[in-house]
Amino acid sequence: KQEVTQIPAALSVPEGENLVLNCSFTDSAIYNLQWFRQDPGKGLTSLLLIQSSQREQTSGRLNASLDKSSGRSTLYIAASQPGDSATYLCAVRQSGATNKLIFGTGTLLAVQP
Amino acid sequence: EPEVTQTPSHQVTQMGQEVILRCVPISNHLYFYWYRQILGQKVEFLVSFYNNEISEKSEIFDDQFSVERPDGSNFTLKIRSTKLEDSAMYFCASRAGGGETQYFGPGTRLLVL
Repeated sequence: KQEVTQIPAALSVPEGENLVLNCSFTDSAIYNLQWFRQDPGKGLTSLLLIQSSQREQTSGRLNASLDKSSGRSTLYIAASQPGDSATYLCAVRQSGATNKLIFGTGTLLAVQP
Repeated sequence: EPEVTQTPSHQVTQMGQEVILRCVPISNHLYFYWYRQILGQKVEFLVSFYNNEISEKSEIFDDQFSVERPDGSNFTLKIRSTKLEDSAMYFCASRAGGGETQYFGPGTRLLVL
């Protein structure tokens, strides 16, 4: 059974720092991996999606990497801003006849001005 | 930019009552999903819907739950007889036929008393 874990559970950094969020999954037979942002009491905003055949995806200050064989993905945020403060979730879609997402536990990020 | 919408944003109900949560997926999307997030826990998959039928469901999605696409725009989740443990944030999501990204709505916070 796929288990998705995110470390750290919470992170506080000063504005301007570069930071890395980690996502681990136990079953490497994934179809893709998606990173989301969740603001308090709000919905999920899709940030990046990486297909299983890809190594990384970039969008603005965000860069997501995927190492399927080791069951890891990282989300790199460059030059962090207070507006980046939110919970970041990763989710995997397994290979095969399924399209459900299996979510991680989330990392709560606080960027201090 | 098109987005998934959900109504109501909050709903309070008495145990044993029926509730219907409504979603308007992004126009022209073909795959529809419901997820839920109990306070402090992971986002978890409930059901996926394609071509007017359930394509996949989780163990959570028992006989008390049902989904429907009553017209060309709405997608609903019905809970027939709510329990205290149904209290959660319920998210609707949709995906385009040729795409991989699932787009989430803002959620409905359901409180069962």
